[in-house]
Order: sequence, then C-alpha cells, then structure tokens
Amino acid sequence: GDSVTQMEGPVTLSEEAFLTINCTYTATGYPSLFWYVQYPGEGLQLLLKATKADDKGSNKGFEATYRKETTSFHLEKGSVQVSDSAVYFCALTPNSGNTPLVFGKGTRLSVIA
Amino acid sequence: NAGVTQTPKFQVLKTGQSMTLQCAQDMNHNSMYWYRQDPGMGLRLIYYSASEGTTDKGEVPNGYNVSRLNKREFSLRLESAAPSQTSVYFCASSALTSGTTETQYFGPGTRLLVL
Repeated sequence: GDSVTQMEGPVTLSEEAFLTINCTYTATGYPSLFWYVQYPGEGLQLLLKATKADDKGSNKGFEATYRKETTSFHLEKGSVQVSDSAVYFCALTPNSGNTPLVFGKGTRLSVIA
Repeated sequence: NAGVTQTPKFQVLKTGQSMTLQCAQDMNHNSMYWYRQDPGMGLRLIYYSASEGTTDKGEVPNGYNVSRLNKREFSLRLESAAPSQTSVYFCASSALTSGTTETQYFGPGTRLLVL
C-alpha cells in the first residue's frame, strides 16, 4: 500500500539556521503530497501542498518540491524561528477517489534562541 | 466559522467504560475522519465517512464504532474502553469529492486516558 517515510526527530536547530526535513513516499499512480504542521497543544493544519510532479508548494517561508524521479517531497526553510517549533507531518493522497490521507510519523522540530 | 469542533477536550475513563467523542464541522464538507495520535506512530486513521450516510474502516478500527449523524456531525464511540485506547483523538473534515484532492481541516483534539 501507499506509505510515507520521514526522517526521525527530534531536530534541534538554532534560530536562523537552515532546515531540511526529508520525506519520501511509495505510491501507485500520481499522488498529491502535503506537509502539515502541529503546534503544541493544537490540531494539524496544512502548511503546503503539491499536486503534480515538479510543483513547488510554499508558505510562511517553507518550501517543498514534488520530485517524481526520487519520490521525494523534502521540506526546507532558509532561516528558522523559535515560532517554527512544532511537529511536521508529510502526507500523501492519490489523485482520484475518496481515499484519505496517509501520514508519515512526524518530525519534531525545536528551535532555540 | 468555528471550523471543526470536538468535545470533550479531555476525558478519563476506567477500563470497560464506554464513551462517545463528538465532532462537528460548519464548512459544509462532505468527508469526515477520525484519527488517533500516539507517540512515535504519527496519525493513524480509525474510520472515515466519504459522504453522509457512508462510513469505512481505516487502519485501526478495532474497538471503535462511528456514526455519521448528518452532514455536520461524525461521532466516535468506544463501547468498552481499554488502556491501549489511551491516545489523542483528532477529527478532520474535507470537501473531498471523487477525482479531486482537498485539504483536510483538523479539530483541536480529545485527550483520552483509560485507566
């Protein structure tokens, strides 16, 4: 079945450091890919998404590019802030039908001042 | 718009007790979902409802039942709670229709502790 693999955390960075969180997927067909973020004590919220190969999703300084050849959707940010401390989830869904999201296990990011 | 609301926020049960987790959305979404979140396991789908009147099992449905009461409401019932059901439960909704990919919107979660 479809699956998502994320790098294990936790990841601890200093403020203004560069962030990469790796995500690779296994899926039949051409899935849509997502990054969700969960701030402490809250539910998940969509950070960005890409629906076809070579698409780049971006939001709040975060970016991820849909790479079909490497089945990857790595999350990057050039300069992290303390307020970016959260758990980040990579997810996919096929581009047809009513199939729900498949989530990775999440990566906890802590940014220290 | 309140988005997705869940009640209660926190609950403690004894083994064998039953309870229902409530979820409602005011976005006129077709699809609704129940997930559980456990440390190191990410989010796992319990049940989902692609449209009013339909429900389907997800990855971990054992020990749970669901009811799609109407388009707005989707409840999750634990008939006989077990310590293994200690978790944080999230409800989500989306406007998902066949052939499209829609964002899921999540509620704030219900923390359940089963003693």
